[in-house]
Amino acid sequence: QKEVEQNSGPLSVPEGAIASLNCTYSDRGSQSFFWYRQYSGKSPELIMFIYSNGDKEDGRFTAQLNKASQYVSLLIRDSQPSDSATYLCAVKAGGTSYGKLTFGQGTILTVHP
Amino acid sequence: DGGITQSPKYLFRKEGQNVTLSCEQNLNHDAMYWYRQDPGQGLRLIYYSQIVNDFQKGDIAEGYSVSREKKESFPLTVTSAQKNPTAFYLCASRTGTGGEQYFGPGTRLTVT
Repeated sequence: QKEVEQNSGPLSVPEGAIASLNCTYSDRGSQSFFWYRQYSGKSPELIMFIYSNGDKEDGRFTAQLNKASQYVSLLIRDSQPSDSATYLCAVKAGGTSYGKLTFGQGTILTVHP
Repeated sequence: DGGITQSPKYLFRKEGQNVTLSCEQNLNHDAMYWYRQDPGQGLRLIYYSQIVNDFQKGDIAEGYSVSREKKESFPLTVTSAQKNPTAFYLCASRTGTGGEQYFGPGTRLTVT
């Protein structure tokens, strides 16, 4: 079983719709959770992070964390063609993990006009 | 203008040659990381450093070496012992709290 799993997609949504990206993780001791956006040929850009159970909203983005189910998701409201990218889920283990992040494979999102 | 710089953007080398990738940050971050990204495989940790003059192997350190002589700089050398060096190399640094990592623009290395 992979440590961090994402559906590779591609996920295709129409412009203006809500895009829902999902991520599961295997380490119950994980403490911190991150979403990165990566445009083709570019480096990952941090767009959201969440540490506590529940929802965290930032503009059109909402991160949702459920530690009991070992599940983190990213919702993108009013999706735009410029949101088309690969979204990487990253998880930081607890304890003395030197800040190591474990990344999922990424989900390719396509927003079509 | 704070950030992380990597150079060069593209690098081409012949097999058997060592090559050094540069990573510099002016964010005053203590921790720095090197990752490798291959198509369809996500990011994998090569080396990390939490403070100057100290660094640790990550998950795929074989064939790589690093140094951390200054807080701002964390160069990565890809040696001839690395069997599949062609990849996208990403340097990151981390804030002291929270743990968010920020990436540089990356270096795309092609070895033929």
